[in-house]
Amino acid sequence: GAVVSQHPSWVICKSGTSVKIECRSLDFQATTMFWYRQFPKQSLMLMATSNEGSKATYEQGVEKDKFLINHASLTLSTLTVTSAHPEDSSFYICSARARSGTSSYNEQFFGPGTRLTVL
Amino acid sequence: KNQVEQSPQSLIILEGKNCTLQCNYTVSPFSNLRWYKQDTGRGPVSLTIMTFSENTKSNGRYTATLDADTKQSSLHITASQLSDSASYICVVSSQYDYKLSFGAGTTVTVRA
Repeated sequence: GAVVSQHPSWVICKSGTSVKIECRSLDFQATTMFWYRQFPKQSLMLMATSNEGSKATYEQGVEKDKFLINHASLTLSTLTVTSAHPEDSSFYICSARARSGTSSYNEQFFGPGTRLTVL
Repeated sequence: KNQVEQSPQSLIILEGKNCTLQCNYTVSPFSNLRWYKQDTGRGPVSLTIMTFSENTKSNGRYTATLDADTKQSSLHITASQLSDSASYICVVSSQYDYKLSFGAGTTVTVRA
């Protein structure tokens, strides 16, 4: 149980285009989903937190107009990188936190990540 | 500021040998500590989770310890295998904040 998927697993796009990444909780309902980015040999950095049906909360320094997050249902959140540039190339990972009562540790379950390369 | 520091940054061990990774944290008030294994190009996978009252927890050849008084944790890998080559990340959560505090990770390379 507690499986989180991401799609696509990798994407290559041209500079200036927009890319959408999906994060799904496959076997549980996620009230909260988190989006991280990870640069090579570095740890995960939280970009934003999204709660189902409400606006995402962005971390300091993360441009909300650049990284659009939508959490339309309890099993799906999307991250859209708008007008992508080479510096946006990174590994994007989502995680999902299950509804209360499903985990005594309030655990976040991580997706497999999406490798974005902007040419 | 909540911080998590891991050491060493990287290590190389021979297949079959044991190794121990360290994690020090300043997260307060402490809720729980997790160790994750992250293979290259993949998302983190949970190995162990420990709360304040737990001193040790095992998951196969992985054994984690926690000293909540000194705010230190270790992850011991026994009889390493080539598949253990990965980054191991220590993650600590606070009782008051849903955000996780991540260590920078220790990159383990197991060689035949």
